[in-house]
Amino acid sequence: DTEVTQTPKHLVMGMTNKKSLKCEQHMGHRAMYWYKQKAKKPPELMFVYSYEKLSINESVPSRFSPECPNSSLLNLHLHALQPEDSALYLCASSQEGRGALETQYFGPGTRLLVL
Amino acid sequence: GQQVMQIPQYQHVQEGEDFTTYCNSSTTLSNIQWYKQRPGGHPVFLIQLVKSGEVKKQKRLTFQFGEAKKNSSLHITATQTTDVGTYFCAGPSYSGYALNFGKGTSLLVTP
Repeated sequence: DTEVTQTPKHLVMGMTNKKSLKCEQHMGHRAMYWYKQKAKKPPELMFVYSYEKLSINESVPSRFSPECPNSSLLNLHLHALQPEDSALYLCASSQEGRGALETQYFGPGTRLLVL
Repeated sequence: GQQVMQIPQYQHVQEGEDFTTYCNSSTTLSNIQWYKQRPGGHPVFLIQLVKSGEVKKQKRLTFQFGEAKKNSSLHITATQTTDVGTYFCAGPSYSGYALNFGKGTSLLVTP
């Protein structure tokens, strides 16, 4: 199984809503990542979890709150988002948490629209 | 992070023509990765280059890493409509954890 799954596929939310994005992998990978991708732009790293610990937060606003309940799951909790936060949110995983030295397997993403 | 510059931004070719995208860095890279993202899809890993001067081939795709490990290229021979998508190179950040993606080259292939 070389698949990273993400739910939901699409999400529309208001600026006062609270929602969560979910990501799951069953490849035994020990590192998981959240990326944000705006249209016609490259993915930008938001967070890295390595061995279930947050190892990198790329100065992401606190309205985005990541959580790693176990080595297979990664959540991104959203609260009080702004319209400019509308984007494709990609989850990825890699085997040992060596980041850029490893293949990163991306999920299909959640397309988020903030109204 | 260590920026990788990628050109061209867009390329439109006729099916059967060749295509090349280039990545350049001002600093030496420990490695470089290439990803392909189809329209409406997600990035899919293609290859990683680690050694100076390395050349790797995958069918019609040829990947090169420069001798100084500051540049890389992806060449597609005889493009097909299935090659349509955006090709990203990605190098490591200073921390090594992050992938710094180039801006990507969007390839359009018309039959």
